[in-house]
Amino acid sequence: GQQLNQSPQSMFIQEGEDVSMNCTSSSIFNTWLWYKQDPGEGPVLLIALYKAGELTSNGRLTAQFGITRKDSFLNISASIPSDVGIYFCAGQRHSGNTPLVFGKGTRLSVIA
Amino acid sequence: EAGVTQSPTHLIKTRGQQATLRCSPISGHTSVYWYQQALGLGLQFLLWYDEGEERNRGNFPPRFSGRQFPNYSSELNVNALELEDSALYLCASSLAEVEQYFGPGTRLTVT
Repeated sequence: GQQLNQSPQSMFIQEGEDVSMNCTSSSIFNTWLWYKQDPGEGPVLLIALYKAGELTSNGRLTAQFGITRKDSFLNISASIPSDVGIYFCAGQRHSGNTPLVFGKGTRLSVIA
Repeated sequence: EAGVTQSPTHLIKTRGQQATLRCSPISGHTSVYWYQQALGLGLQFLLWYDEGEERNRGNFPPRFSGRQFPNYSSELNVNALELEDSALYLCASSLAEVEQYFGPGTRLTVT
């Protein structure tokens, strides 16, 4: 099925560093969401974005809905060990009965 | 508030058998979504139920089917299991159409 282009695929960073990951598509999306999945668990919703240009924060996490509506990024500031996991972006192309499309995820590893 | 629950946690089946996976949404949520997450891959949309009706279906064969009950819980059935059906099956629920909240998943292993 269709998926978003999410990068990087994986990252190894030092504790305390900032992290940036992004999602792009050739199609316009009406909504972008960012999820985090820990091993053996289901994804947890971190941030939802509904308007082009919207910038939303959730603690140390900040996400933006690209102005072209074809991309989104997620930043994590001052990373800590519990930030380890897989981060997924997801988008909805149209309102109504259209499902979310997910990226393949960014695997984040934090070195203490 | 209780989150999305799924059962069983793990399921082991042999090729050709049928598997039934269950999901209870967050109280008040009327939509239930099913996703397949194969090892190393992202989430692939399977099915979407709302108010007891199938609203949308992903690119999966008809042997993947399901239903939603009057209490909004849902069941995913996979018939004639194949080895490549081994995956984590995730259920999500939502009140609006976009913000989906996931359960812990059922790990299906087909041998």
